[in-house]
Amino acid sequence: GENVEQHPSTLSVQEGDSAVIKCTYSDSASNYFPWYKQELGKGPQLIIDIRSNVGEKKDQRIAVTLNKTAKHFSLHITETQPEDSAVYFCAASKGNTPLVFGKGTRLSVIA
Amino acid sequence: NAGVTQTPKFQVLKTGQSMTLQCAQDMNHNSMYWYRQDPGMGLRLIYYSASEGTTDKGEVPNGYNVSRLNKREFSLRLESAAPSQTSVYFCASSLAENTGELFFGEGSRLTVL
Repeated sequence: GENVEQHPSTLSVQEGDSAVIKCTYSDSASNYFPWYKQELGKGPQLIIDIRSNVGEKKDQRIAVTLNKTAKHFSLHITETQPEDSAVYFCAASKGNTPLVFGKGTRLSVIA
Repeated sequence: NAGVTQTPKFQVLKTGQSMTLQCAQDMNHNSMYWYRQDPGMGLRLIYYSASEGTTDKGEVPNGYNVSRLNKREFSLRLESAAPSQTSVYFCASSLAENTGELFFGEGSRLTVL
């Protein structure tokens, strides 16, 4: 089955700097790659997703890139703010199977 | 706008006791899921229900049972709780099977002594 590896497990950045979280997946048939943000005491919430027919997608300060050949995708957060501090999860699926999540990255934005 | 509601939010059990986690969604979603979250392990799928009347095993189904009571409700039962089942449990729903956005509840923290 699908296996999703996520790095780093923890990340600290200064406010205003950029943060990058990377994920690799094993199943070349996977075609949907969402990113979820989990704030303390809450359930995860979708922040951005990308499908395999697109190489990059942006939404204000966040962007996701996908390299199908290398089977990896990344989350980029620019101009980080304290409210970006959270746990971020990447995931992958091939449409007819449930999402498989990475193990998460705890992002701390230091003011 | 309740979204996905889980009960209870906290529960302490003794080894061998049974309990049911309840989940309800008010978004008219077809698919529902139960995940567990453990430190350093991410979110692992226990069971899911693609549509009313169907259930399927996920990655870690042992020790659990589920019931899709109707389109709104999906319950998770621990028949004989074990310390290894100490975890935070999340229910989620989506409009269609295995596609699109998952909407999560706020979680149920279970401790088995």
